[in-house]
Amino acid sequence: GDSVTQMEGPVTLSEEAFLTINCTYTATGYPSLFWYVQYPGEGLQLLLKATKADDKGSNKGFEATYRKETTSFHLEKGSVQVSDSAVYFCALRGSGGSNYKLTFGKGTLLTVNP
Amino acid sequence: GAVVSQHPSRVICKSGTSVKIECRSLDFQATTMFWYRQFPKQSLMLMATSNEGSKATYEQGVEKDKFLINHASLTLSTLTVTSAHPEDSSFYICSAEPRRGYTFGSGTRLTVV
Repeated sequence: GDSVTQMEGPVTLSEEAFLTINCTYTATGYPSLFWYVQYPGEGLQLLLKATKADDKGSNKGFEATYRKETTSFHLEKGSVQVSDSAVYFCALRGSGGSNYKLTFGKGTLLTVNP
Repeated sequence: GAVVSQHPSRVICKSGTSVKIECRSLDFQATTMFWYRQFPKQSLMLMATSNEGSKATYEQGVEKDKFLINHASLTLSTLTVTSAHPEDSSFYICSAEPRRGYTFGSGTRLTVV
């Protein structure tokens, strides 16, 4: 079945540092890929997405590129802020039939210190 | 944009009682709602998929009689945890159908004492 593996946290960075959170996936066909962010005590918010190979999703300074050859969708940001502290989830939606459900990675806790 | 309102945000209940969690789509009709459970420091696990007017589809290992899902209208889906026990303590999140781009509720923190 479909699966998502993302780097284990927690990740602790200083403000303005470069961020990379690795995400790889296993799926048949051509899944859509997502990054979600969860702030403390809240639900999930879509951060960015990509629906086909070589697509780059971007939002709020975050970027991720859909790499089919390496089955990866790594999240990057050039300069993190304290307000970026949250849990980040990589997810995929399968491409077969009516398979609308999302499969999530375990999440990576990011803490950014001033 | 599409908003899903989830209530309550936090609930503490006694062991053996039942708790109902509501998710409402405020500005759109949600024919499909997904219910997830999240354990501390773990990912979201899909519990069930509910479709308006029909029975929910449960994931393997999820007790149908314990986690009752009702999706009686296009704007409301409910999850009832029946005869709750401490091991049911968790964070429960709903999500609306993918046509609206997977809008999530804000989650419900359930603590069973």
